[in-house]
Amino acid sequence: EPEVTQTPSHQVTQMGQEVILRCVPISNHLYFYWYRQILGQKVEFLVSFYNNEISEKSEIFDDQFSVERPDGSNFTLKIRSTKLEDSAMYFCASSPSLNTEAFFGQGTRLTVV
Amino acid sequence: GENVEQHPSTLSVQEGDSAVIKCTYSDSASNYFPWYKQELGKRPQLIIDIRSNVGEKKDQRIAVTLNKTAKHFSLHITETQPEDSAVYFCAASRFVFGPGTRLSVLP
Repeated sequence: EPEVTQTPSHQVTQMGQEVILRCVPISNHLYFYWYRQILGQKVEFLVSFYNNEISEKSEIFDDQFSVERPDGSNFTLKIRSTKLEDSAMYFCASSPSLNTEAFFGQGTRLTVV
Repeated sequence: GENVEQHPSTLSVQEGDSAVIKCTYSDSASNYFPWYKQELGKRPQLIIDIRSNVGEKKDQRIAVTLNKTAKHFSLHITETQPEDSAVYFCAASRFVFGPGTRLSVLP
């Protein structure tokens, strides 16, 4: 069964460093998403991506964040200068169309020290 | 923007009993309402969803009802089993999640 894959599963980085989280969405899906979940809290939407551009973004997704689909298969989230409060589980998801099931990856746990 | 509230925050039931989780949303333009189950340390997984053109949907022991006028929707789990224990999140569209309900099914 196809699934969304994310790498790495765990990333530890120093405050102020840049990180890139990687995702491979399901191959025939057209919509891609990033979410984050701080430990013990709810899932928070960051950004959606369709047709090679951002279609929606939340207030969390400020200038420190960017997304890219560099090669037609990978979908990346970059955090330019990490802060302690960026520590969270980051989930990538994809869906074949807008109002259908979004399939989540297993997540990348980002720890900023 | 959209705001989703969810109640209760925790729920304990005896195995075999029913569990009901309720959510309200604020944006009347929302038209897609998924429910996710998240086990500890794992990804959210869709268990059922409903679109605004229907009032109820059922899949085996799980059902969801939607009241567009009142802007609330509910998850119903019947004949609960210990493996139903998890955190359940409702969402309005794909962008706004509720705060979650921790369901514990006691054997």
